[in-house]
Amino acid sequence: DAGVTQSPTHLIKTRGQQVTLRCSPKSGHDTVSWYQQALGQGPQFIFQYYEEEERQRGNFPDRFSGHQFPNYSSELNVNALLLGDSALYLCASRYFVPSTDTQYFGPGTRLTVL
Amino acid sequence: SQKIEQNSEALNIQEGKTATLTCNYTNYSPAYLQWYRQDPGRGPVFLLLIRENEKEKRKERLKVTFDTTLKQSLFHITASQPADSATYLCALTGWETGTASKLTFGTGTRLQVTL
Repeated sequence: DAGVTQSPTHLIKTRGQQVTLRCSPKSGHDTVSWYQQALGQGPQFIFQYYEEEERQRGNFPDRFSGHQFPNYSSELNVNALLLGDSALYLCASRYFVPSTDTQYFGPGTRLTVL
Repeated sequence: SQKIEQNSEALNIQEGKTATLTCNYTNYSPAYLQWYRQDPGRGPVFLLLIRENEKEKRKERLKVTFDTTLKQSLFHITASQPADSATYLCALTGWETGTASKLTFGTGTRLQVTL
């Protein structure tokens, strides 16, 4: 049973460019959340998708957008990249119900913006 | 504003001893609290969840306590081993999020267990 997978593992972009990160949830999971983790910090919630809709959003600008597909996989898009967007981007999946269900994190995508 | 504080300094302990990590929060009414382990360059791995009406939870060598009056959780690893060396993250979920289960993380505490 594959866990949460993310691609790519590493990515280097320049300021102003756009990036798309991908996530496949753990088998059977229907809910995907995205987190940004800067070096030395805890993960920060970006948004969560369920039934192909954004259900909750953290304090991130509109440059951050996402999508969930019918097979529950998800994409995170970041436009107009800034140096401060350099971070580890984590995807987590779970069942929507119950709300206390364990979240499983993927290995992350390391994004470096030059 | 909501704040979750964990010891930013690394915790160094000797193998076999009990490691105790602290998570304090302010301006927050958590429904439940979770502890995760994170190794360098990897995603967090779930360890334990404790609800607001629970005082203590155990799993093998791990123990979590939750004091909503003190607004504090303690995470204990007994008989620690070098393999326990990692960063440990505290994460809270509040009632206001309903079933959306947004996690708010602390900055984590790095544990180093030496021989």
